[in-house]
Amino acid sequence: DTGVSQNPRHKITKRGQNVTFRCDPISEHNRLYWYRQTLGQGPEFLTYFQNEAQLEKSRLLSDRFSAERPKGSFSTLEIQRTEQGDSAMYLCASSLGWGSEQYFGPGTRLTVT
Amino acid sequence: GQQLNQSPQSMFIQEGEDVSMNCTSSSIFNTWLWYKQDPGEGPVLLIALYKAGELTSNGRLTAQFGITRKDSFLNISASIPSDVGIYFCAGQMGSQGNLIFGKGTKLSVKP
Repeated sequence: DTGVSQNPRHKITKRGQNVTFRCDPISEHNRLYWYRQTLGQGPEFLTYFQNEAQLEKSRLLSDRFSAERPKGSFSTLEIQRTEQGDSAMYLCASSLGWGSEQYFGPGTRLTVT
Repeated sequence: GQQLNQSPQSMFIQEGEDVSMNCTSSSIFNTWLWYKQDPGEGPVLLIALYKAGELTSNGRLTAQFGITRKDSFLNISASIPSDVGIYFCAGQMGSQGNLIFGKGTKLSVKP
């Protein structure tokens, strides 16, 4: 399968714990995006990378959130000290460059209890 | 965050009927995209539009990029049960990499 992959698909955690998600983009894509989607809403942008450089961060990305793309390939999104409001679907997308189509992975569903 | 105005919110139609949904914005976009999302899955790209006035088809789907660059519509002809899902429009502005999404149109098809 050459699409965007995300792991894990589901994560249940207790409030206050740290969680980390992984995204593997389509192999030749140099741009990688993270979005968050809550029930009944469209995806909302969190941050994006061009190669290993993090170029933009949304104001939704509080200081408890950190994202990395160390070698310009896969990316990780970490949430520290999770809160119940962090419960959402976290989506990753990749594209060839600016203005080209973004292809999404299947998402990671986070539930904070 | 900023979102596009997408309508209708939901549609209940009979199999074989045509469907139309649209998205509007107060801002100008350089790119419009339409996605379909099934429950528990990520959005799947249906159509991408890059030029004002552009009309693009993908099988039974047709989408247009409005000439004002502030709107787009998606038509589905002769709907079938597997068209069920949530359809999202998304726009990309000039200097930004991220997409801005509508709230979605939930489509239900009665066989």
